[in-house]
Amino acid sequence: EIVLTQSPGTLSLSPGERATLSCRASQSISSSYLAWYQQKKPGQAPRLLIHGASNRATGIPDRFSGSGSGTDFTLTISRLEPEDFAVYYCQQYGTFGGGTKVEMK
Amino acid sequence: EVQLVESGGGLVQPGGSLRLSCTASGFTFSDYWMSWVRQAPGKGLEWVANIKEDGSVRYHLDSVKGRFTISRDNAEKSLFLQMNSLRAEDTAVYFCAREIPGGACHYDYWGQGILVTVS
Repeated sequence: EIVLTQSPGTLSLSPGERATLSCRASQSISSSYLAWYQQKKPGQAPRLLIHGASNRATGIPDRFSGSGSGTDFTLTISRLEPEDFAVYYCQQYGTFGGGTKVEMK
Repeated sequence: EVQLVESGGGLVQPGGSLRLSCTASGFTFSDYWMSWVRQAPGKGLEWVANIKEDGSVRYHLDSVKGRFTISRDNAEKSLFLQMNSLRAEDTAVYFCAREIPGGACHYDYWGQGILVTVS
């Protein structure tokens, strides 16, 4: 079973700053199967940001970008907007990472 | 507009049963794999089960196998999760979600979620 480890657990940043979130897989995975989601509140429906490691979902602003291959994947938010402070999850098939919380500094 | 609306959650005693429903609209339901994903209080997301477009293939999380069953009714545009022998650790918000075609289990639309409390 593949385990996805996200780091850091919490990222404290200010609006306008760049956020870099990491997702590491316990073994090499196809980038086609890596997705990123944003969840603004616990229990609220997540929103798909990136699928296939680097493809933005419909309606997602271009400040969100995904990259990576093999075991190391990255979600980058180029300039944080106030609405971007949330928890972010990576996913590969039926496995989700533990999440990274991006909080306002 | 794509919409997924869950219903059927609530409070149930350990060992009890619940049936969750998810009603879809705004897209051709029978063209998509569908999933249930849950989130326990204060925890992350956990895939529970998914089902092929025609209902012929289903997968379940190991910890719910033999207790939960995913099913669908394409004529009614509905997805179901029959949950039996419920345990305290099944307490969570349950989401139904539509999978993007391609087999990668990525979800482009989610319901609002429904709370199941086992206590």
